[in-house]
Amino acid sequence: DTAVSQTPKYLVTQMGNDKSIKCEQNLGHDTMYWYKQDSKKFLKIMFSYNNKELIINETVPNRFSPKSPDKAHLNLHINSLELGDSAVYFCASSPTTGGHNSPLHFGNGTRLTVT
Amino acid sequence: AQSVTQLGSHVSVSEGALVLLRCNYSSSVPPYLFWYVQYPNQGLQLLLKYTTGATLVKGINGFEAEFKKSETSFHLTKPSAHMSDAAEYFCAVIKGGSNYKLTFGKGTLLTVNP
Repeated sequence: DTAVSQTPKYLVTQMGNDKSIKCEQNLGHDTMYWYKQDSKKFLKIMFSYNNKELIINETVPNRFSPKSPDKAHLNLHINSLELGDSAVYFCASSPTTGGHNSPLHFGNGTRLTVT
Repeated sequence: AQSVTQLGSHVSVSEGALVLLRCNYSSSVPPYLFWYVQYPNQGLQLLLKYTTGATLVKGINGFEAEFKKSETSFHLTKPSAHMSDAAEYFCAVIKGGSNYKLTFGKGTLLTVNP
C-alpha cells in the first residue's frame, strides 16, 4: 500500500545511455513532482505536473523530459546521461497546487549512478 | 529570491538531551515554513508546518518549532532526543500566495549518541 512508489530503486548506467525512472501515486493527488538530491543532500525541484499538465519547469537540461500519462503517474526520461546526472531523484505528490495546505508526499528515491 | 539557511550541517546530541536545529529564512512577504525529516534511504516526511495563526507549531514525534518574524527564524526543537531521531532534517519555505514550489535548506544531519 505504498503511497508514492518509484522504480527502480537503484540505477547504474554508463555515460551516453538513455534511461527512465517511473513514479506512481495511489493517493488520488492532482499534482506530482520530480526533485533532484545531489551528493551534498541539496534538494531542488525539477518539474511539477498538475492533472497531466506541466506547471513548474526549472532550469533543467533538455535531456530531461518528464511525461505524465495520467495524474497518477509521472515518469522521468533522461537522454545522453552525463556523470553530473548522478544523484538521488525523488518523486513526490500533493493534493493540489495550493502550497501551504498541500504538503508533499515523497517516494523513497531512485539512486542514479552514471559511470 | 526565497531562501532558507540552516545553521550547522551536523548536530550531535546525547540521548535525552535537547535537540535544537536552526533555520532562518529570507522573505519579503509572510512565508509558509516547513520542516521535513529524511531517514536513511527514504524519502522526506513532513514533520510540521507553519502557515498562519499560532507561532508555536507542534509536529510529529515530539518535535515543535516556533515562527519568530522579528528574527526571521523557524528553529526546530525537541526536549529529549531519542536514538530514532537520528536523520537528516530539512527546513523549507514557500512564498505566501505562490504556487507550490518548495525551496529547501541544505539540511542538518542529527546524530544521537547513547
